Amino acid sequence: RKEVEQDPGPFNVPEGATVAFNCTYSNSASQSFFWYRQDCRKEPKLLMSVYSSGNEDGRFTAQLNRASQYISLLIRDSKLSDSATYLCVVIPLSGYSTLTFGKGTMLLVSP
Amino acid sequence: GAGVSQSPRYKVAKRGQDVALRCDPISGHVSLFWYQQALGQGPEFLTYFQNEAQLDKSGLPSDRFFAERPEGSVSTLKIQRTQQEDSAVYLCASSLEEAGAWEQFFGPGTRLTVL
Repeated sequence: RKEVEQDPGPFNVPEGATVAFNCTYSNSASQSFFWYRQDCRKEPKLLMSVYSSGNEDGRFTAQLNRASQYISLLIRDSKLSDSATYLCVVIPLSGYSTLTFGKGTMLLVSP
Repeated sequence: GAGVSQSPRYKVAKRGQDVALRCDPISGHVSLFWYQQALGQGPEFLTYFQNEAQLDKSGLPSDRFFAERPEGSVSTLKIQRTQQEDSAVYLCASSLEEAGAWEQFFGPGTRLTVL
């Protein structure tokens, strides 16, 4: 079983739709959680951190459920520019900030 | 300011050839990471440096892979006797690694194709 598992994609949605991505992680001692965005043939870039209390950044909302070892990302009012691969990322409790990535879920927003 | 840079951006190697991939981290960043990203997969950790010390190399797939950061800035990832399964994008990331400054900034990657 992979350490970080994500919904298989791609997700095809029209502009304006709300879309949710889910992610589970296997190491209960994991300490930090993030969503990264990766555009086609580009490097990953940090989208947002994920906190137990939930956090929101504009149209993006991230949630963490430590008991269920589950992370989510909600995108409201999808834009064409949101089309990308969304990577769920965990930092295990190893003492170093090594990122463990999920496989990624591709989002395609169409007009 | 300049971000993380990597060179070459693209490398085609014949099977059995040695390759060297270079990473220039953001100036002043203490930590440097190498990741390997195969097609359709998320990046996978290879190795980690704190200044010139290689603190974790548990992700290196075989002893054909070697990384160094001799002066604590530029890093080189070397792959000896390349195999077709080494074909991937090799990403370098750096971070300040101070309290509250953990974010890793990625370079554009080197796309390695082994024929």
